[in-house]
Parts: sequence; structure tokens; C-alpha cells
Amino acid sequence: SQELEQSPQSLIVQEGKNLTINCTSSKTLYGLYWYKQKYGEGLIFLMMLQKGGEEKSHEKITAKLDEKKQQSSLHITASQPSHAGTYLCGAAHGSGNTGKLIFGQGTTLQVKP
Amino acid sequence: NAGVTQTPKFQVLKTGQSMTLQCAQDMNHEYMSWYRQDPGMGLRLIHYSVGAGITDQGEVPNGYNVSRSTTEDFPLRLLSAAPSQTSVYFCASSSPYRGNYGYTFGSGTRLTVV
Repeated sequence: SQELEQSPQSLIVQEGKNLTINCTSSKTLYGLYWYKQKYGEGLIFLMMLQKGGEEKSHEKITAKLDEKKQQSSLHITASQPSHAGTYLCGAAHGSGNTGKLIFGQGTTLQVKP
Repeated sequence: NAGVTQTPKFQVLKTGQSMTLQCAQDMNHEYMSWYRQDPGMGLRLIHYSVGAGITDQGEVPNGYNVSRSTTEDFPLRLLSAAPSQTSVYFCASSSPYRGNYGYTFGSGTRLTVV
């Protein structure tokens, strides 16, 4: 979707390295979701950010929301092969929760042992 | 805890055939959505619903119909399948009262139109 742009589109890192994935919206954000997808499988919910400046962490994955820039970043510290997969950001653009969730094109991550 | 159940998991159709992809959730969620996923394009929203009897178009609605007669079910109909509809289809559900738990996705239906 052009409403949400993810960068980079793909990433190859050495195990143990840190990495960041960005998600930029062309519209005002009212909620930003991060999901992970293993090849050929469904989507696994990672976290949701709602407020500007909000930051959440789950194990070695941290996500932040910059409301002014309409951007979110997903940071993985000390990457492991288990982090490999496609990361997708999704955004609710309507005010309040309209039930309409739009996704970016995804970032595919490979972690080399 | 079934969550979101999609059937079938795999389907091959001939051009012009019709079929219905089934989606059911047992979490009493108000919101349900259908997405298609194609290589390099992420997830694109086809149709969504905020409750029984209410549906709306997403980003790529052409060629697909939906209805929501019950809270639990949200079937997606392909009236006349085309090769361009070859894709992986995901159904998702959520609730506005769910807080930070996000949308729950089904395991997907892989559709090939020949």
C-alpha cells in the first residue's frame, strides 16, 4: 500500500548484529501494529503502538512510534536465526478504531549464522 | 481455542469458476477483514466488516463479494475467478474493546486460478 512504506524491503544480517526496520505513513496514524510472518505461515502479532513517543519491547524486539513524523521503527538487538521472517507494519488511519487496517509491503529479514 | 478458522487451506480453480472462501471466528469479535498477499506487495485489504450486516470495501475489492449475516462468519466470494486472483488469502478478526492485542489472523487459503 502506498499509504504505508516500509524500508528496507529486504535485509541480510549476521547473527548477533542489530537492525532497524522503518514504517512511514502518508496519513495521520491512530494505531500502528507490527506483525511477523514465517514463510508459508500466518501472521503473528508482535505489538501495537498508539501514542506518540510510545515504546514497547518484547524479548529483543523494540518498537517506537514517532507521531509527528508519522513513523514507527522496529529494532532487533543481537539478532538470532529465529528472528528471520517477514515483518509487516499495519496502520489504522481513521480516527478511533474503524476496523480498517492497512499494511505496508513487508520487510524480509535473513539472519546468517 | 480455535481463533480464526479458514477453509479450505488450498484450492485450484479454473478461470470463470466461482467459489467461496470461508472464515469463522469464535472470539465474538466485531471486526473481520479479508486480505490477499502477493509477493512483494504485503497484505492488501479486500473487504472488511465492523459488525453483522455491515461491510465496506478495502483497497482491492473488485472481483470479490462479502456478506456478514452473523458475528462469527465472514465468507469471501469469487464470482468468476481470474488468474489475477491467484494469491494467498487471509482472514482476520479483532474487537474495538481488545486493547493492545491486535488482530488475530487465520492460517490462510492458498488459491491458484488456472
